[in-house]
Amino acid sequence: GAVVSQHPSWVICKSGTSVKIECRSLDFQATTMFWYRQFPKQSLMLMATSNEGSKATYEQGVEKDKFLINHASLTLSTLTVTSAHPEDSSFYICSAKIFTGTDYEQYFGPGTRLTVT
Amino acid sequence: QKEVEQNSGPLSVPEGAIASLNCTYSDRGSQSFFWYRQYSGKSPELIMSIYSNGDKEDGRFTAQLNKASQYVSLLIRDSQPSDSATYLCAVISSGSARQLTFGSGTQLTVLP
Repeated sequence: GAVVSQHPSWVICKSGTSVKIECRSLDFQATTMFWYRQFPKQSLMLMATSNEGSKATYEQGVEKDKFLINHASLTLSTLTVTSAHPEDSSFYICSAKIFTGTDYEQYFGPGTRLTVT
Repeated sequence: QKEVEQNSGPLSVPEGAIASLNCTYSDRGSQSFFWYRQYSGKSPELIMSIYSNGDKEDGRFTAQLNKASQYVSLLIRDSQPSDSATYLCAVISSGSARQLTFGSGTQLTVLP
């Protein structure tokens, strides 16, 4: 399968600071990437869809000014959590969509565990 | 009504048994169906994709799709303790967004 990387794998930051998470597709070009958040013992929650060269599409209830997404190239999307608060502590996972020749498949990065103190 | 429904479990099976995981979806126009495995504290891993009615086998895994009944299942033969994880059913909607919609997941425990 396709490989998606994320950096950092975990980060601890103080309340009020900003944190940037990088998502890269390593062996393919991804015109579309997705950002998810997962709280303990809960299912994945889609935050936004990131398209290369255009603005991200945010899901209802997700603050676009707080969660800044930049899809700068076909292999890189970044999520910046601005003015982080303890309630933003979560597991953030990116995903990239790849066309297999007949249909689409979606592969996930390893995730970034964010703890805001 | 949830778009993708799974029995949350937990489902426990003894080692060597067949584990059967089920999923139903509401969008009749959906064409693409996936099973992901997620270990605790890790991100989801794609294990099976299926697009046509019938069975698709890959090693110990068999995915079954019945579009008329809007039903997709995953069978795990010869279950191993290492199969213990949460299994997520996902469906690509028929809309223009074509994004994945996940079920809430079924927690599987394989008992040694």
